Amino acid sequence: EAQVTQNPRYLITVTGKKLTVTCSQNMNHEYMSWYRQDPGLGLRQIYYSMNVEVTDKGDVPEGYKVSRKEKRNFPLILESPSPNQTSLYFCASSLSVGDLNTGELFFGEGSRLTVL
Amino acid sequence: QKEVEQDPGPLSVPEGAIVSLNCTYSNSAFQYFMWYRQYSRKGPELLMYTYSSGNKEDGRFTAQVDKSSKYISLFIRDSQPSDSATYLCAMKTSYDKVIFGPGTSLSVIP
Repeated sequence: EAQVTQNPRYLITVTGKKLTVTCSQNMNHEYMSWYRQDPGLGLRQIYYSMNVEVTDKGDVPEGYKVSRKEKRNFPLILESPSPNQTSLYFCASSLSVGDLNTGELFFGEGSRLTVL
Repeated sequence: QKEVEQDPGPLSVPEGAIVSLNCTYSNSAFQYFMWYRQYSRKGPELLMYTYSSGNKEDGRFTAQVDKSSKYISLFIRDSQPSDSATYLCAMKTSYDKVIFGPGTSLSVIP
């Protein structure tokens, strides 16, 4: 089954404790991206990757890191989480940058993070 | 002014009603317009996609784009309880990233 898998789905942590949210897709997609979703603000892009070893900042990259060492994986790293990073996080992928023109992003089921 | 604006609702309608969901935007360079549907505790899924102006119909769903007014709409005919979800409009230029609206929460009451 074609899917984007995120883990963990739910996480409560404390300020300053490093954490990683994993994302994996099995569709051989070139493009991957991380979003955060907050009430009233919609989906905001954190980082994206056009292909392996190619990553770039989105609209709200502060406090986050990413890496793309393999095509299928795109982990999101919070080196020192703070309460303002409490949010619902989504990983998404698309076959290629060109296919983005159809708007077809495939999303994971989300990771709800609470930072105390 | 936000780049994409959408009434957050919540919108509650009886089963069988016609639903109209709308977004306005400010960037005249947007050419690709999408509607995503997001069920509770799930990721968004692409519902409809339209390029430039005009209408597109898919079953009970119709997407309309009016570029002159910078206004897009999604109509749902004969709404069903299974349509209860948050609907996100999204748009992009030909070379830039997808920009999402904040979403409208819809409840269809049996």
